[in-house]
Amino acid sequence: SAVISQKPSRDICQRGTSLTIQCQVDSQVTMMFWYRQQPGQSLTLIATANQGSEATYESGFVIDKFPISRPNLTFSTLTVSNMSPEDSSIYLCSVDSGSQGYEQYFGPGTRLTVT
Amino acid sequence: KQEVTQIPAALSVPEGENLVLNCSFTDSAIYNLQWFRQDPGKGLTSLLLIQSSQREQTSGRLNASLDKSSGRSTLYIAASQPGDSATYLCAVYTQGGSEKLVFGKGTKLTVNP
Repeated sequence: SAVISQKPSRDICQRGTSLTIQCQVDSQVTMMFWYRQQPGQSLTLIATANQGSEATYESGFVIDKFPISRPNLTFSTLTVSNMSPEDSSIYLCSVDSGSQGYEQYFGPGTRLTVT
Repeated sequence: KQEVTQIPAALSVPEGENLVLNCSFTDSAIYNLQWFRQDPGKGLTSLLLIQSSQREQTSGRLNASLDKSSGRSTLYIAASQPGDSATYLCAVYTQGGSEKLVFGKGTKLTVNP
């Protein structure tokens, strides 16, 4: 299984500012995923990030609001831009096993509060 | 569009009871189904992964079943303990088109000592 770390673990930010969340994996992986979990809700996929190409965004999420970088096979960042209180959520990074079965592993999450 | 439903939304049981959590999905074209555990404010821990060709998986006191044709899965927890208290999430990895993991809203389990 993959071990995933995220930074920061939590943050409180002012409206209108931006926050960059880092995700580090202990092994090389092809695809990394970013999810959002709003209070009391389940997880929603924001985008899929492949190394060397542009991220693929799900319906309702746009690159200007959630720019993603994927500079190598073990690291990715998600930026939450021009934040509003509605962006207060847990943001989670995940990877899949890359082999038959595609088991997914998740990082510990970043709890973001926007005031 | 794949939709995943989990019933019940919340469950409270006394310690030692056996219990069943239910998950249903609308599109049977899946690669696999995965059960996760989430503690408050934390990330997800993978509990069991069932491939689309499998019927069940077991790990310790946990047993998960899959009936792909009817779009159902159950997670059975034997001899529940207070440490099992958490939210349990079911997710299906959907084939075709937008291949991705689709989550249910979870079942919040409380095991009382």
